[in-house]
Amino acid sequence: DIQMTQSPSFLSASVGDRVTINCKASQNINRYLNWYQQKLGEAPKLLIYNANSLQTGIPSRFSGSGSGTDFTLTISSLQPEDVATYFCLQHNSWPYTFGAGTKLELK
Amino acid sequence: EVQLVESGGVLVQPGRSMKLSCAASGFTFSSFPMAWVRQAPTKGLEWVATISTSGGSTYYRDSVKGRFTISRDNAKSTLYLQMDSLRSEDTATYYCTSGGGYWGQGVMVTVSS
Repeated sequence: DIQMTQSPSFLSASVGDRVTINCKASQNINRYLNWYQQKLGEAPKLLIYNANSLQTGIPSRFSGSGSGTDFTLTISSLQPEDVATYFCLQHNSWPYTFGAGTKLELK
Repeated sequence: EVQLVESGGVLVQPGRSMKLSCAASGFTFSSFPMAWVRQAPTKGLEWVATISTSGGSTYYRDSVKGRFTISRDNAKSTLYLQMDSLRSEDTATYYCTSGGGYWGQGVMVTVSS
């Protein structure tokens, strides 16, 4: 199975900060990497698909980059409503696997 | 508006069976591969099973292979997950998803004696 190592596990930032979250795959997954946001008690929401494509309706302050084994989710200017846990997902090969998550809080 | 509504979750004893359903609306269900993803309490996400658009191909994670069966009825726009020989480690919220794009709100499955 492909292991997805996500960092950091926990992140505290201020409104307006630039925030980056990383995912590293244990082998090449090309660009088959999605990013999700999950708020407490809610289902995951797709933010970015195929490494850098913004899902319809998602604010442009969210962006994704990377290919191969190293990927980054960036929030250009943190907003209060961005408090959530963020997960990456590789869908290059079965079984699809998620990162362990990054819990983002406001400082 | 896209909607995925799961049902069927409940408390069940180890070794027993349960069937989850997911009713879809607001998109062309038959055009999307569908999947079940689960999340144990306070844990991360785990992709459980995937089914192709026709239902002809299915994929399962090793821990549920031989115990869970994913199926779909395109005429009814409904996805199913038959879960047999349930174990305590299957306790989780189960989400129905259209291949990772649209998600339901989830249904809780508790396996306990």
